[in-house]
Amino acid sequence: NAGVTQTPKFQVLKTGQSMTLQCAQDMNHNSMYWYRQDPGMGLRLIYYSASEGTTDKGEVPNGYNVSRLNKREFSLRLESAAPSQTSVYFCASSTRQGAEAFFGQGTRLTVV
Amino acid sequence: SQKIEQNSEALNIQEGKTATLTCNYTNYSPAYLQWYRQDPGRGPVFLLLIRENEKEKRKERLKVTFDTTLKQSLFHITASQPADSATYLCALVVYSNASKIIFGSGTRLSIQP
Repeated sequence: NAGVTQTPKFQVLKTGQSMTLQCAQDMNHNSMYWYRQDPGMGLRLIYYSASEGTTDKGEVPNGYNVSRLNKREFSLRLESAAPSQTSVYFCASSTRQGAEAFFGQGTRLTVV
Repeated sequence: SQKIEQNSEALNIQEGKTATLTCNYTNYSPAYLQWYRQDPGRGPVFLLLIRENEKEKRKERLKVTFDTTLKQSLFHITASQPADSATYLCALVVYSNASKIIFGSGTRLSIQP
């Protein structure tokens, strides 16, 4: 049972390049989340999805887009990467409202 | 503005003592409050959840209290061990269009032998 799987684990981008971070969960969870974590700032919510086909903005959505094409997968896209988007990105899922979130291992992204 | 504050960035405790971490929030009305543990280079791992109508929850050496009047949660680790050293995050489950989980900045706990 893999849980929440994120790809890639590491990525270096040049300013202005685009990329998609992939996230998949095999726990049949309804809710999925994308967070970024910067030193001293905890986890900040970028986007979340309560169910397949729905997405909502979190605390820091600017510069990002998301897609929830099916129940398993929730992707995060950076259309034009900026150095301020250098961070560790975590995907998470939970089975129902209020339930605990299960996290992936994170993607360490550096934008130069 | 909405804020979640954890009392200190770092806390050093002697082994065997009780570690107490604080989480305060403003301008949120959470239905649940959760605590997570995060080790370096890893994703957070869920520890405990407490509902808005509960005052206290226990799990082994862990205890969480939740005071919705004070807008505060306390997280206690009794008989602390060096293996408890990690960053601890509190999180609020709040509802707008759907439920979302909002995290505090965390407290880095170090247990000294």
